Amino acid sequence: TQLLEQSPQFLSIQEGENLTVYCNSSSVFSSLQWYRQEPGEGPVLLVTVVTGGEVKKLKRLTFQFGDARKDSSLHITAAQTGDTGLYLCAGAHAGGTSYGKLTFGQGTILTVHP
Amino acid sequence: DTGVSQNPRHKITKRGQNVTFRCDPISEHNRLYWYRQTLGQGPEFLTYFQNEAQLEKSRLLSDRFSAERPKGSFSTLEIQRTEQGDSAMYLCALTTPDSSEQFFGPGTRLTVL
Repeated sequence: TQLLEQSPQFLSIQEGENLTVYCNSSSVFSSLQWYRQEPGEGPVLLVTVVTGGEVKKLKRLTFQFGDARKDSSLHITAAQTGDTGLYLCAGAHAGGTSYGKLTFGQGTILTVHP
Repeated sequence: DTGVSQNPRHKITKRGQNVTFRCDPISEHNRLYWYRQTLGQGPEFLTYFQNEAQLEKSRLLSDRFSAERPKGSFSTLEIQRTEQGDSAMYLCALTTPDSSEQFFGPGTRLTVL
């Protein structure tokens, strides 16, 4: 069974601070995706990382994929109150009848205080 | 707008009743997924369809659960004889043929009293 461990589970910070969320897998997925979810809504895709060592930036968000493609991190610089939400990492399965199926981490609930 | 609508958005039912949820993609997507999410947790895979064919079902999907995608477009998820443990958000997601990136609907929040 492929598992994703996400940490921390809760993060409460002040506006302007930096933070990092970690996602570690017991095995390799074909890609790793990060989603953000607001209460009462479905997850929204932020980024997909595929290649080991890959770094992607989305404004104040930086996503890294480990060389072994088993771990990833999300770093937010100068957090804003609008960043508040549930952040989810998800691994995509490679092939067979499970192709494209996502296994999610348990999520990180981020609260940014003004 | 992710191109996925789900109805109803909220459903409150009494234990033992049957409920049915619907997922409607706005455009053609050949793979459609159902997930269940409890409060503060990540979504858990339930089942998925490629066109009309249901290709995989999770062990979470007991025999009280059934899903269909009769014409390869919209899909329904039915829960029979609901239990309080079925209370959760039920999410539908779609992918394009050559990608694993999923576009989620807003979900149906089920509360079983």
